Amino acid sequence: QSALTQPASVSGSPGQSITISCTGTSSDVGGYNYVSWYQQHPGKAPKLMIYDVSNRPSGVSNRFSGSKSGNTASLTISGLQAEDEADYYCSSYTTSSTLVFGTGTKVTVL
Amino acid sequence: QVQLQESGPGLVKPSETLSLTCTVSGGSISIYYWNWIRQPPGKGLEWIGYIYYSGSTKYNPSLKSRVTISVDTSKNQFSLKLSSVTAADTAVYYCARSFNWNYPTPQGVWGQGTTVTVSS
Repeated sequence: QSALTQPASVSGSPGQSITISCTGTSSDVGGYNYVSWYQQHPGKAPKLMIYDVSNRPSGVSNRFSGSKSGNTASLTISGLQAEDEADYYCSSYTTSSTLVFGTGTKVTVL
Repeated sequence: QVQLQESGPGLVKPSETLSLTCTVSGGSISIYYWNWIRQPPGKGLEWIGYIYYSGSTKYNPSLKSRVTISVDTSKNQFSLKLSSVTAADTAVYYCARSFNWNYPTPQGVWGQGTTVTVSS
């Protein structure tokens, strides 16, 4: 299975909105609504931010939102803040009952 | 709330078997799916495999021939064995629990990670 494709980096100024894409195939992203997004700060374990395409766990800011169209899922961060600077990974369930992660995106707050 | 802690050797010789254990505290290992995920230095996350508390497993196809994940409900632990390791297996290894009890994804609880270096 191949890693899901994400842009290597995305940047924005404080207060702006940014969107990170996650492209897979009909065997993973396009086949299920089991896409999740994780935030990872340097030296820390990943943190779940979005699950099942667009659901937020309790405690996650509503500035984070998710969506999906076909084989591409997206994470949008609105009202960008300095603390949002981190690496972001998408993940999907697959038709083989396995899991696959995205290549990762470094978000920089200018 | 539930916490996960990885443990095991930080240094493994090439061709040997990497063995890690994840101890679950603050909750039972029964129900939920339990995952191993790794991250090579400076690289992205790679899913290794998961086990359901009942013992059923699923592995990353690229690692399947070398991976075994097992669970010990009496000790509230699950383990990872990766055989015939090379330098490419050097990584931070995370254990993680599924967010919902009835589906293997997403991962809602993570351990802090443990660094394993493969070197002679």
